[in-house]
Formats: sequence, C-alpha cells, structure tokens
Amino acid sequence: DAGVIQSPRHEVTEMGQEVTLRCKPISGHDYLFWYRQTMMRGLELLIYFNNNVPIDDSGMPEDRFSAKMPNASFSTLKIQPSEPRDSAVYFCASRASGRLSEKLFFGSGTQLSVL
Amino acid sequence: QKEVEQNSGPLSVPEGAIASLNCTYSDRGSQSFFWYRQYSGKSPELIMFIYSNGDKEDGRFTAQLNKASQYVSLLIRDSQPSDSATYLCAVNPNSSASKIIFGSGTRLSIRP
Repeated sequence: DAGVIQSPRHEVTEMGQEVTLRCKPISGHDYLFWYRQTMMRGLELLIYFNNNVPIDDSGMPEDRFSAKMPNASFSTLKIQPSEPRDSAVYFCASRASGRLSEKLFFGSGTQLSVL
Repeated sequence: QKEVEQNSGPLSVPEGAIASLNCTYSDRGSQSFFWYRQYSGKSPELIMFIYSNGDKEDGRFTAQLNKASQYVSLLIRDSQPSDSATYLCAVNPNSSASKIIFGSGTRLSIRP
C-alpha cells in the first residue's frame, strides 16, 4: 500500500487566495483526520470523518476553513480566503475501525505558506 | 487547561542513558494513550500504545500509565543518537468517540 497520500507537498500563496489541500487515505480505512502543526500550537485536530461523514469539526478555526470527503478515497481541506496566520504544516491521517486499530497513519504533510 | 500537556524540552540525555518523557491529560475518562515519534521535517509515527494501568515494554521502549494520576510516561533505555526527535503524547479523550488529541511534544536530544 502507498500509504496516505497528500498533495501538494508545498504551497505558497498570497493572502486572500483560495487554497485546497488534498488527501487520499489508505484503502479500507474508515477514519480520516486533518491536523495542523505549528511551533506555537503543536499538532491540532481540525476535523475528522468516519465513513465519509464529518463527526467532529470543533477544531476548525473559523468559517474560512471547510473540509469535504465525497468518497472513501478522497478528502479536501479548503481555506478561503487564506491569511498569513494559516501558515503551517497540514497533515492528513487515516486509521481503521476497532479499538485495537487506533494507530494513525500520517501523510507526508502539506507545508503551507501564506504571504 | 490543555487536554494533553507535555514539557516542550529540549531534553538532553547522554548516549546509553535512560530518557524519560512525561505527559499529563485532563479527561479522566480517557481510555487510550499513545506515543508518537516525529523526526524533523517528517510526519509522526506510532511507537507505543497503552490502555491499562502499569507498564508496557517493547524493545528499548517502556510506556507507563497511571490513570489515577492522569499521567503517561515513556522511557527509552540505552538511548541512541537516532532517538533524537520530538515525542508526541496522544490521547483518545472519550472511548465513545474516535478523535486523538496530541500534546505539543517534547524535543529529545541524545548527545554522543
């Protein structure tokens, strides 16, 4: 298996632009998570899905952020409009169902820089 | 109060010594506890998980859980330079949900 695949690896954009981050989870995994990592705030959970349904989006910073999972093999995280404080590494992770399957498999992350 | 707290470090340990990393959590109902290792510029990877009070050993790593004190620790024996990384403590704060909350991580440096 190729693991969790994220794109792009790096994104540089200007303030006010729309940014779309993409994620392909591991085949057969029922859960998909979006995290954001900064030096100041560490690794923060933004939202997670179970069977393509958003379960908890309480970590989404504000209305500028939205996430979708149209099918079991694809998810997007969109920021519109982007701001410099959104600069961070965004990780997607997936896991299988079951208590003994709580291991998260992380993608390589997207380094976002908003100028 | 943050849900999962760790000392940010850096923690410097001589090669061959025992490194001790600590973590506290706020939700007394938490059931699942994890340690992830993250090398600089890389993504986190799971190295240990523990569900029950007491110790769990895997090679040079030992995870310790004390639910009464809401405390989780990771011991690394015979520390190697390759152990230099950031160690993230993670908790599932509610057994009926599935979200995993991470601490800010402790940066560990093993000096030769």
